[in-house]
Amino acid sequence: DAKTTQPTSMDCAEGRAANLPCNHSTISGNEYVYWYRQIHSQGPQYIIHGLKNNETNEMASLIITEDRKSSTLILPHATLRDTAVYYCIVRVVGSSNTGKLIFGQGTTLQVKP
Amino acid sequence: EPEVTQTPSHQVTQMGQEVILRCVPISNHLYFYWYRQILGQKVEFLVSFYNNEISEKSEIFDDQFSVERPDGSNFTLKIRSTKLEDSAMYFCASKVAGGLNEQFFGPGTRLTVL
Repeated sequence: DAKTTQPTSMDCAEGRAANLPCNHSTISGNEYVYWYRQIHSQGPQYIIHGLKNNETNEMASLIITEDRKSSTLILPHATLRDTAVYYCIVRVVGSSNTGKLIFGQGTTLQVKP
Repeated sequence: EPEVTQTPSHQVTQMGQEVILRCVPISNHLYFYWYRQILGQKVEFLVSFYNNEISEKSEIFDDQFSVERPDGSNFTLKIRSTKLEDSAMYFCASKVAGGLNEQFFGPGTRLTVL
């Protein structure tokens, strides 16, 4: 699975959009971009995933650049409860893949009042 | 909403003792995982389990570790002879069949080895 690079930490004002970047310059054509988050030592929580098109769900939006070498997770209206460590994970998806997730250090997002 | 549950929430044991961590995955899920997180460090993959056998394991998952699905609902992680460095949060996760589906994680068991 391709390596990802994320900033160590970011701050965001409550109510504003939080934009979390991720670089994955070695991503290959069959690798998806997944985002998870971990709130204060709880179990990681799935947020969103995408291959090459932008994706949106009730939690967030995922913007993937055309060359797929980077992506941005957007939390449109951050709340204090969004304070967490956010992980960008790139993985191959297929019948021969066990689905394991390889976590990096992630980005610690601090949402401030 | 269905969720993965884990028991106990906190386990304290003496070095050299055996521990069993228990997980109840979501009922229609077919893939099961154990991860661990040492305090202040990243989440690490231990093992994946599908169709009643281990499908992949990491270097961490040595002969001291074993997994089992003893019945249709529980998924257990056994550490045969605990070491101080086994102290960590242990997370169970599960997912449905199909490669794209996200994993659902339990709340974790905090294992403290004294």
